[in-house]
Amino acid sequence: NAGVMQNPRHLVRRRGQEARLRCSPMKGHSHVYWYRQLPEEGLKFMVYLQKENIIDESGMPKERFSAEFPKEGPSILRIQQVVRGDSAAYFCASSPPNQETQYFGPGTRLLVL
Amino acid sequence: GENVEQHPSTLSVQEGDSAVIKCTYSDSASNYFPWYKQELGKRPQLIIDIRSNVGEKKDQRIAVTLNKTAKHFSLHITETQPEDSAVYFCAASKNTGNQFYFGTGTSLTVIP
Repeated sequence: NAGVMQNPRHLVRRRGQEARLRCSPMKGHSHVYWYRQLPEEGLKFMVYLQKENIIDESGMPKERFSAEFPKEGPSILRIQQVVRGDSAAYFCASSPPNQETQYFGPGTRLLVL
Repeated sequence: GENVEQHPSTLSVQEGDSAVIKCTYSDSASNYFPWYKQELGKRPQLIIDIRSNVGEKKDQRIAVTLNKTAKHFSLHITETQPEDSAVYFCAASKNTGNQFYFGTGTSLTVIP
């Protein structure tokens, strides 16, 4: 059973460009969470999704950030018009239905120049 | 909302000694407390977790204790080894499908 997959692992964007981060949950996991980690800080919750539904987006910035988890394919975290402050590691985690444990992917390290 | 505090932020121990990391939480509704280990540039990996109906859980050299009344929980690593060196994060959550609230991390260094 492959673990949570994320790609790309590293992403470099110039200010104003768009960043698309992808996450494929573990097999059988229908819950996906996105977290952001700034250098030498803890993980901060951004959004929780189930297939085709956003359940909790209380941690998402109101502008430029969006997330989806379509019926087919990976979950996507999209950041429009990136700024230098968006530079961080973005981790997704997945969990099976009715279980609390979240398993993390390897992260995408976004660098905005 | 929930607030999780973690101490110390850095910890150095001699190989073979024990290490203890402490966390407190604010929301008495939190009932699930996982601990993650993150090596440099790697993903957070679950090492142990505890639910609020249990006071202590042990897995080989790792143990976690929970005091619901005081709202604090601790990670204990015995007989530390250099490969235990990493950043450790505690977290709290309320129910299945709820976000994790993470502590700010403890950087553990085990000196050979």
